Amino acid sequence: AQSVTQLDSQVPVFEEAPVELRCNYSSSVSVYLFWYVQYPNQGLQLLLKYLSGSTLVKGINGFEAEFNKSQTSFHLRKPSVHISDTAEYFCAVTHAYSGGSNYKLTFGKGTLLTVNP
Amino acid sequence: AAGVIQSPRHLIKEKRETATLKCYPIPRHDTVYWYQQGPGQDPQFLISFYEKMQSDKGSIPDRFSAQQFSDYHSELNMSSLELGDSALYFCASSPILGGGETQYFGPGTRLLVL
Repeated sequence: AQSVTQLDSQVPVFEEAPVELRCNYSSSVSVYLFWYVQYPNQGLQLLLKYLSGSTLVKGINGFEAEFNKSQTSFHLRKPSVHISDTAEYFCAVTHAYSGGSNYKLTFGKGTLLTVNP
Repeated sequence: AAGVIQSPRHLIKEKRETATLKCYPIPRHDTVYWYQQGPGQDPQFLISFYEKMQSDKGSIPDRFSAQQFSDYHSELNMSSLELGDSALYFCASSPILGGGETQYFGPGTRLLVL
């Protein structure tokens, strides 16, 4: 089984400041990692994912994340945030199992990013 | 691009009533997942289907059942509704070939049980 810990439940920042949302995971097997964003009253939108290869992955809207296997972390970063980035961000994990048909996700509790003018 | 469609988007029911939520996956996606997100909570996995067969089951109450049909759409049936069933229910789909590990979520169905 996997678990995800998002260390900050809320992160307030000012517009154009950099931000890092922290995510740590626990698993006894290899994993795939994801970041999803949820805007108010909307569904979950995939920001980026790590499957294999380069540990630095780039996603939509200028976000990037770095997979660190030794620290079991997958922190999300953006060098300069906008008001429109205000949303809930979820880190999620599933087992890395090639050829499988079930990749149920385990989510963290979420981090509410609030970007202030 | 086509996305996952869920209907209805909002649903209000009384306690002990039944509800049916529908999910239409992205074309050529044959795997469907259902998640429940309570107020202020993270999404919790309920159940998944691949090629019309249940592939995994999570914390889904016995009062709930689900199935996937021949056109790959899925329905979540909820009976004897309780106040605690009030939540946002997400459906997600993925293609089994090439990228099956990545799930694309629908907008959700917001269920309110009174």
